[in-house]
Amino acid sequence: NAGVTQTPKFRVLKTGQSMTLLCAQDMNHEYMYWYRQDPGMGLRLIHYSVGEGTTAKGEVPDGYNVSRLKKQNFLLGLESAAPSQTSVYFCASSQDRDQPQHFGDGTRLSIL
Amino acid sequence: AQKVTQAQTEISVVEKEDVTLDCVYETRDTTYYLFWYKQPPSGELVFLIRRNSFDEQNEISGRYSWNFQKSTSSFNFTITASQVVDSAVYFCALSEWDSGNTPLVFGKGTRLSVIA
Repeated sequence: NAGVTQTPKFRVLKTGQSMTLLCAQDMNHEYMYWYRQDPGMGLRLIHYSVGEGTTAKGEVPDGYNVSRLKKQNFLLGLESAAPSQTSVYFCASSQDRDQPQHFGDGTRLSIL
Repeated sequence: AQKVTQAQTEISVVEKEDVTLDCVYETRDTTYYLFWYKQPPSGELVFLIRRNSFDEQNEISGRYSWNFQKSTSSFNFTITASQVVDSAVYFCALSEWDSGNTPLVFGKGTRLSVIA
């Protein structure tokens, strides 16, 4: 069972470059989330989606955009990467807001 | 606004000791859900338990137990007879239902090191 799959697992970018992180889930979950994890900060929600075609801002949305064109996919975009966006990014999905979230393995992103 | 506090940043214990990880939360909602997740050194996040605000019964799963007390807004996690494999970062999280706020708010985590 794949669960939640994140692509890529590692990436190094230069300041100003753009990129897209892909998250795919095969559990038919309605909710999907993007978090960033920084040392000592726990997980902070960037954006989330409550269903296909919907997105909403989380705690730290600035500098990121998202899209959910298909129910199983949730894309996170960085239009102009900054060193402050160096982090580990986790995608997660859940059937509803009160249900446990299933996490991908994370993407380690470094911006030089 | 919802908030989760894990005051213990790091804990170190010797194998076979019992250890309790504290979690204190803040919410104005009547209906809410509390979670614990484990992040081992390999980095993945593993769901451990979910508890709703109407169920204050303590729960035990093997060496793991959880103590939910609404009166003190706490949802503490105890590992009995700790093992090296329990070494991980543990996160407590809160999801409010009534107010529809941010789906899940995490505490900053407690890093547990179990020494052989």
